[in-house]
Amino acid sequence: SQKIEQNSEALNIQEGKTATLTCNYTNYSPAYLQWYRQDPGRGPVFLLLIRENEKEKRKERLKVTFDTTLKQSLFHITASQPADSATYLCAYDRGSTLGRLYFGRGTQLTVWP
Amino acid sequence: KAGVTQTPRYLIKTRGQQVTLSCSPISGHRSVSWYQQTPGQGLQFLFEYFSETQRNKGNFPGRFSGRQFSNSRSEMNVSTLELGDSALYLCASSPGHRTDTQYFGPGTRLTVL
Repeated sequence: SQKIEQNSEALNIQEGKTATLTCNYTNYSPAYLQWYRQDPGRGPVFLLLIRENEKEKRKERLKVTFDTTLKQSLFHITASQPADSATYLCAYDRGSTLGRLYFGRGTQLTVWP
Repeated sequence: KAGVTQTPRYLIKTRGQQVTLSCSPISGHRSVSWYQQTPGQGLQFLFEYFSETQRNKGNFPGRFSGRQFSNSRSEMNVSTLELGDSALYLCASSPGHRTDTQYFGPGTRLTVL
């Protein structure tokens, strides 16, 4: 069955450093990946979407890469701030299951001053 | 545009009872998806409705059901509640096409005692 894995449950970094989160997938090659942010007790919020033919995508301090050979997406937050502390989820869909996203378990990022 | 709203935000029930949760999607969105989120299992897909029809269904028992109304508002029902049904229930809306970003509501926190 399809699997999407985020290989770190938690990541702690110092303010100002770059946070790098990893998302790996197996058994299926998605046409695109999405990244969401979730704060405690709240619903996920969409951040970025990257398609398989895009190597990299940026939005302000965020950068996402997509390596279809490695079956991996990396999510970077540069110049991290304590306000970036949250859980970050990657997700993809399958063309045959519209309206359904497959989510990883998430990586809880803590940025300390 | 108003975001996705879910009611109630918090709910406490006892085993054996049933519960109905409500979701109002973003205006113009025709797809509503429901997810269950627990610390142990992460985000798990329940079902998705598009134009009043269930289009996709996850691997949950028949105690979990849903419906969508002509105005795209959706409800989900859980009958014969079990302790393990305690979770954050999230609904997400989208226009209903592939590659759509999903817009999540704040969730309903259900506690079963």
